[in-house]
Amino acid sequence: EVQLVESGGGLVKPGGSLRLSCEASGFTFSNAWMTWVRQAPGKGLEWVGRIKSKTAGETLDYATPVKGRFTISRDDSKNTLYLQMNSLITEDTAVYYCTTDIRYGLRYIDYWGQGTLVTVSS
Amino acid sequence: DIQMTQSPSSLSASVGDRVTMTCRASQGIRNDLGWYQQKPGKAPKRLISAASSLQSGVPSRFSGSGSGTEFTLTISSLQPEDFATYYCLQHNSYPQTFGGGTKVEIK
Repeated sequence: EVQLVESGGGLVKPGGSLRLSCEASGFTFSNAWMTWVRQAPGKGLEWVGRIKSKTAGETLDYATPVKGRFTISRDDSKNTLYLQMNSLITEDTAVYYCTTDIRYGLRYIDYWGQGTLVTVSS
Repeated sequence: DIQMTQSPSSLSASVGDRVTMTCRASQGIRNDLGWYQQKPGKAPKRLISAASSLQSGVPSRFSGSGSGTEFTLTISSLQPEDFATYYCLQHNSYPQTFGGGTKVEIK
């Protein structure tokens, strides 16, 4: 069974830092391209960024509002995805989801974690 | 960045109604678009990929169409479990971008 479990959320002051983790199981994590998506309270979904697999060069892409402040990384030995968030602002308050697509033959199925809440407030 | 504009932002409909919502891209994205359904307190789930390809297990009352800059998600006969918010996501270029969502409410 595919599982994605986020952790590391919490309350942090503006200007502070936080690192989120997403522990994966049930699939070959090292082959997966992993994505972070966030959702501010009562708002829509926002794509945050993606890291490709090592074989695809571990290429990183970020949304404009987080570029230069957030860093995505992965540890394939631990089947874990990370999101390092620095210089946090109140607008970063959101539930953060990790997600991936897994290929089954010709089909791709998307999997999501349950999300972890980050609150940026003084 | 490519801007995705969804309309309407919300709609009220009854069980059995045909419902249509639109997603417009600020520039051409071929058919590099997915539709997602999200229910309150839950993670999203993709219904359609490549603008019109139904994901496995998704009821056939859902359909998607479009290419380029204009896309449509249609629910042919709305069911009680379909009341949710629907989002489009373009993956033609990075950063990927979601539309603002269409909330489908019970009339």
